[in-house]
Amino acid sequence: QKEVEQNSGPLSVPEGAIASLNCTYSDRGSQSFFWYRQYSGKSPELIMFIYSNGDKEDGRFTAQLNKASQYVSLLIRDSQPSDSATYLCAAEYGNKLVFGAGTILRVKS
Amino acid sequence: DTGVSQDPRHKITKRGQNVTFRCDPISEHNRLYWYRQTLGQGPEFLTYFQNEAQLEKSRLLSDRFSAERPKGSFSTLEIQRTEQGDSAMYLCASSLDRQPQHFGDGTRLSIL
Repeated sequence: QKEVEQNSGPLSVPEGAIASLNCTYSDRGSQSFFWYRQYSGKSPELIMFIYSNGDKEDGRFTAQLNKASQYVSLLIRDSQPSDSATYLCAAEYGNKLVFGAGTILRVKS
Repeated sequence: DTGVSQDPRHKITKRGQNVTFRCDPISEHNRLYWYRQTLGQGPEFLTYFQNEAQLEKSRLLSDRFSAERPKGSFSTLEIQRTEQGDSAMYLCASSLDRQPQHFGDGTRLSIL
């Protein structure tokens, strides 16, 4: 059973702080990992993807991958109220994505 | 790039009726995926097409579900004899080869 686990939250952070979102996956067979943002009632929107161990930065977002620990994280710097959403972590297995249930992030102004 | 388009956005139907959803992928994308998402959960994979060939189906896709992608362009997902448990958001995604998948706005199905 290929599983992706996320803390459902909500994770509450003040505006301007760093939000740290975490995800673990059960099957070492995956090589690619994705973070999607989903606003209530909307579709998932791709934010970051990472294939290699280490960090990948894009603007205010940093994705981190540790394959030995089967751990993926997303850091959001200078969090804004508009970042309030559900963040979905996904692992690619073959031709499909396996998603976690998502972490609700609330940024308080 | 007009994005992935899905139609209709909302569908309300009575239990036992058949419904069909349409997905138009990003024009140059050769891969198309269907997922289902229920409240509080992440999307669950249903099926995958590469061009017109349906290459993988989830065990979630019972024999009441059928998907097609004629000519490798748009795709349809049909649910026959709908049941209460079919109420969900049906999401379509597309990609160019193994590049990241991009999702449409989904079709929300409500079964009365």
